Amino acid sequence: DGGITQSPKYLFRKEGQNVTLSCEQNLNHDAMYWYRQDPGQGLRLIYYSQIVNDFQKGDIAEGYSVSREKKESFPLTVTSAQKNPTAFYLCASSMFQGSSPLHFGNGTRLTVT
Amino acid sequence: DAKTTQPNSMESNEEEPVHLPCNHSTISGTDYIHWYRQLPSQGPEYVIHGLTSNVNNRMASLAIAEDRKSSTLILHRATLRDAAVYYCILRDASNTGKLIFGQGTTLQVKP
Repeated sequence: DGGITQSPKYLFRKEGQNVTLSCEQNLNHDAMYWYRQDPGQGLRLIYYSQIVNDFQKGDIAEGYSVSREKKESFPLTVTSAQKNPTAFYLCASSMFQGSSPLHFGNGTRLTVT
Repeated sequence: DAKTTQPNSMESNEEEPVHLPCNHSTISGTDYIHWYRQLPSQGPEYVIHGLTSNVNNRMASLAIAEDRKSSTLILHRATLRDAAVYYCILRDASNTGKLIFGQGTTLQVKP
């Protein structure tokens, strides 16, 4: 079955460490997105990519970095510069058309202590 | 970026219809209206989308105002499984890529 996979589901890190969240899709989608969700809040866009080797900052990119070396993969690194990294992180993908729906992964819950 | 406005919360009784409103007064002519819903600790799930005409699928119906400045997601018979946060977003046909989600509407369904 085609889909979008995020791993791991839960991740724990100590403050000051960088951590990388995985996002893989086998839907042959061009565009991929990373969102952050805090308790009781909506989704906020971190980064997005419309094509391999290219990506753009969303509304809250500070303290995060991404890469898009392959069409299927869009990993997100939460760096030590991110002041409040504990959150629920969601990855999504879609075709490169406004009428195409977003497909979301089931998220990674990151806890930094 | 065009924004959407939704009520924070709504309640419904089981097996009754639910109308979830969304305002998007700055919508452009090429923006599609998309609806998603999210259960706790899960990723959002696509529900329906439309451009100008009303749309129906197995999950819901989408009614779009004639001036396209508002839309309504209609769940014809709410079930307990429909309790979720519902998001209305706009997506440009040319796909500028930046998809902005608002706070969404938390729907409670009472048995």
